[in-house]
Amino acid sequence: TQLLEQSPQFLSIQEGENLTVYCNSSSVFSSLQWYRQEPGEGPVLLVTVVTGGEVKKLKRLTFQFGDARKDSSLHITAAQPGDTGLYLCAGAWAAGNKLTFGGGTRVLVKP
Amino acid sequence: GAVVSQHPSWVICKSGTSVKIECRSLDFQATTMFWYRQFPKQSLMLMATSNEGSKATYEQGVEKDKFLINHASLTLSTLTVTSAHPEDSSFYICSALRGGRGTDTQYFGPGTRLTVL
Repeated sequence: TQLLEQSPQFLSIQEGENLTVYCNSSSVFSSLQWYRQEPGEGPVLLVTVVTGGEVKKLKRLTFQFGDARKDSSLHITAAQPGDTGLYLCAGAWAAGNKLTFGGGTRVLVKP
Repeated sequence: GAVVSQHPSWVICKSGTSVKIECRSLDFQATTMFWYRQFPKQSLMLMATSNEGSKATYEQGVEKDKFLINHASLTLSTLTVTSAHPEDSSFYICSALRGGRGTDTQYFGPGTRLTVL
């Protein structure tokens, strides 16, 4: 079974603080995707990483893919209440293959 | 963009009835779509892979006779929950696989909330 561990499960911070979410596996990913999900809605794709060591930035969000392509992190700088949501990482072990989701990290940014 | 729609967005039904949920890729063709279910405060769990023109592939523990999947065209997959029971109440989400840009990416629909009374 290919598992994807996401941590922490829950994060509550004040507006303006930074946060990091981690996603780890013992298997090598073909690609890894990060999603954000609002209550009652489907996940929205934030980024896809495919190259070991890759770093992608999306405004205040920074995504890193580990050199060995087994782990990834999402870092949010100066978090805002609008960043509140469920963050999900999902890995694919082959192109076009099904995704396995991590358990999710529920982020609450308090004003 | 890559837009995926689901219909209905929510449905309430009586125990024992069947419910059909549609998933459409609006601006691209998808030979592969996926169906997930999500319980409150939990992550997404893959139920099955829907392949256009062929039988769906179900994950372990998912009853294929209860969750019927039909992928009749390149833009439409349907999930029918047969003889629904209260324990089938959940948030059902589909995704469509879009490729051709070096990396295949799944784009998700907005979800369908099913409540079985």
